[in-house]
Amino acid sequence: GAGVSQSPSNKVTEKGKDVELRCDPISGHTALYWYRQSLGQGLEFLIYFQGNSAPDKSGLPSDRFSAERTGGSVSTLTIQRTQQEDSAVYLCASSKSGRETQYFGPGTRLLVL
Amino acid sequence: GQNIDQPTEMTATEGAIVQINCTYQTSGFNGLFWYQQHAGEAPTFLSYNVLDGLEEKGRFSSFLSRSKGYSYLLLKELQMKDSASYLCAVRATSGTYKYIFGTGTRLKVLA
Repeated sequence: GAGVSQSPSNKVTEKGKDVELRCDPISGHTALYWYRQSLGQGLEFLIYFQGNSAPDKSGLPSDRFSAERTGGSVSTLTIQRTQQEDSAVYLCASSKSGRETQYFGPGTRLLVL
Repeated sequence: GQNIDQPTEMTATEGAIVQINCTYQTSGFNGLFWYQQHAGEAPTFLSYNVLDGLEEKGRFSSFLSRSKGYSYLLLKELQMKDSASYLCAVRATSGTYKYIFGTGTRLKVLA
């Protein structure tokens, strides 16, 4: 079946602009994760959604970052007033539940000029 | 705090065996995962350990010792396509199922 999809695959923006990144999880997966991966680094946890529970936002680096998940499916990660240090690959993953293996999307490569 | 350590880089020869170690200190433990990530691609799931011992899956095996906070990934009969980063991740349970990732081990397989 279809895997996790993310859009756009690449995004170039100017410092100070807002960006929205989208994630479509695997159908039926209730858990959804956002990660950030800077060049040559490991994955940095950002936020976790599980069903209708309140999301775990403990990884969001600043109040410029926010995410929502509508209808328990599609999620949008928003970065306001982007900074050059926000440049990274933003990965989304989903799993059947928090206890199950997570599967990653292809990522969105964000470059802030 | 939460900490996962793994070597930054390793080099091995085609056909050989390589062991990639991972040590962790996390608040709560609900499983250890290994992912493979080729350059420019998303991570793909390799293995999962929640109980102590060895899990074998083809050329790949993963070992866990919870008392020591230690895991390793063993790759046998190395192939050139195994050149990739290998990420160790712990699923912690501090109220939610959050994953803590190490920085990854870049493996180069030489002919």
